[in-house]
Amino acid sequence: GNSVTQMEGPVTLSEEAFLTINCTYTATGYPSLFWYVQYPGEGLQLLLKATKADDKGSNKGFEATYRKETTSFHLEKGSVQVSDSAVYFCALSYYSSASKIIFGSGTRLSIRP
Amino acid sequence: DTGVSQDPRHKITKRGQNVTFRCDPISEHNRLYWYRQTLGQGPEFLTYFQNEAQLEKSRLLSDRFSAERPKGSFSTLEIQRTEQGDSAMYLCASSLRQGANNEQFFGPGTRLTVL
Repeated sequence: GNSVTQMEGPVTLSEEAFLTINCTYTATGYPSLFWYVQYPGEGLQLLLKATKADDKGSNKGFEATYRKETTSFHLEKGSVQVSDSAVYFCALSYYSSASKIIFGSGTRLSIRP
Repeated sequence: DTGVSQDPRHKITKRGQNVTFRCDPISEHNRLYWYRQTLGQGPEFLTYFQNEAQLEKSRLLSDRFSAERPKGSFSTLEIQRTEQGDSAMYLCASSLRQGANNEQFFGPGTRLTVL
């Protein structure tokens, strides 16, 4: 079946460090890929998305590239801030399947000042 | 605030009791989704509506669960005879349309604790 696997947390970094959160997926066909973020006490928010192979999604300094050959969608940021502390979810959905979203288990990120 | 709202935000109940949650989607959105999120896990799809029609239900949605969206606007999720395993965050999301540009907007969730 379709699934998403992301690196386990928690991940703790110092401010201005480089961030990578790995995500791989198992799916047939051509899903859309997403990163969602959940800040403390808030609801899930879409951070970025990519709808086809080699697309790069970007937002708020975060980037992820849809790599079909490696079935990956790793999240990166060049210089993290304390305000980036949150739980990050990698996810996929299909246009043909009512766009219900399949989420990974989440990675908690903590940034030290 | 024109986002997705959910009520209540927290619910504590005893095993065996019935509970009902409400979700108010963004007003022009015709699709509404329910997800369940247990501690340390990502959300899992439960069911979705297009307007008032419930078009898909996950196998996670046992017979004790029922969802409605009677007028194609707000939705309710009822759990009968609650069990401790029902303790989770119940998330609602809405979207305008299906497709590559579809974005689901999530509410803050209802946290259910079954004692």
